Amino acid sequence: GQSLEQPSEVTAVEGAIVQINCTYQTSGFYGLSWYQQHDGGAPTFLSYNALDGLEETGRFSSFLSRSDSYGYLLLQELQMKDSASYFCAVSGSGGSYIPTFGRGTSLIVHP
Amino acid sequence: DADVTQTPRNRITKTGKRIMLECSQTKGHDRMYWYRQDPGLGLQLIYYSFDVKDINKGEISDGYSVSRQAQAKFSLSLESAIPNQTALYFCATSGAGGREQFFGPGTRLTVL
Repeated sequence: GQSLEQPSEVTAVEGAIVQINCTYQTSGFYGLSWYQQHDGGAPTFLSYNALDGLEETGRFSSFLSRSDSYGYLLLQELQMKDSASYFCAVSGSGGSYIPTFGRGTSLIVHP
Repeated sequence: DADVTQTPRNRITKTGKRIMLECSQTKGHDRMYWYRQDPGLGLQLIYYSFDVKDINKGEISDGYSVSRQAQAKFSLSLESAIPNQTALYFCATSGAGGREQFFGPGTRLTVL
């Protein structure tokens, strides 16, 4: 089976940097994804890491360490609109790339 | 126009009723998925389909059934709705690699 752990809530101030951690357990591993979901809205894809290291996309970066079964999402220059839930998802065994989602981290950005 | 659409967007029904949620996509993807979201529980996979003739159960398929009518259409049915099926339901699609999923706007279902 697969399981993921991420903090339930993170708070930060506008303009700051915040890191959302994700640890996972899986019998097979293909990659770690991150999704953003605003309240009541559809999840939207942010990033995917299959290899160790840092992937940068604008203000957002995602990191993976396969040996530690660990990844994080880094958000820089926080804006109020970044207040949302962030889900990590691991794609594991079977060759199907079907993700298993974590329970999500609610990010609250204060002015 | 949205790439993934879901109907209805909101539905209130009574215990024991049969309900169908519909999903259509214009992305040309073969893979389609149905998820359920409850507060604090993330997204749980109900069923998925890799093509019209391929249907697979997810982690919480009990009480649900699906139909893949065409490449672009994937519907979810609750044969006899019960209150603990009250949730937000999302349809999603992905390409062959499956790394990025595209979600519909969701259907908020309330079973009284």
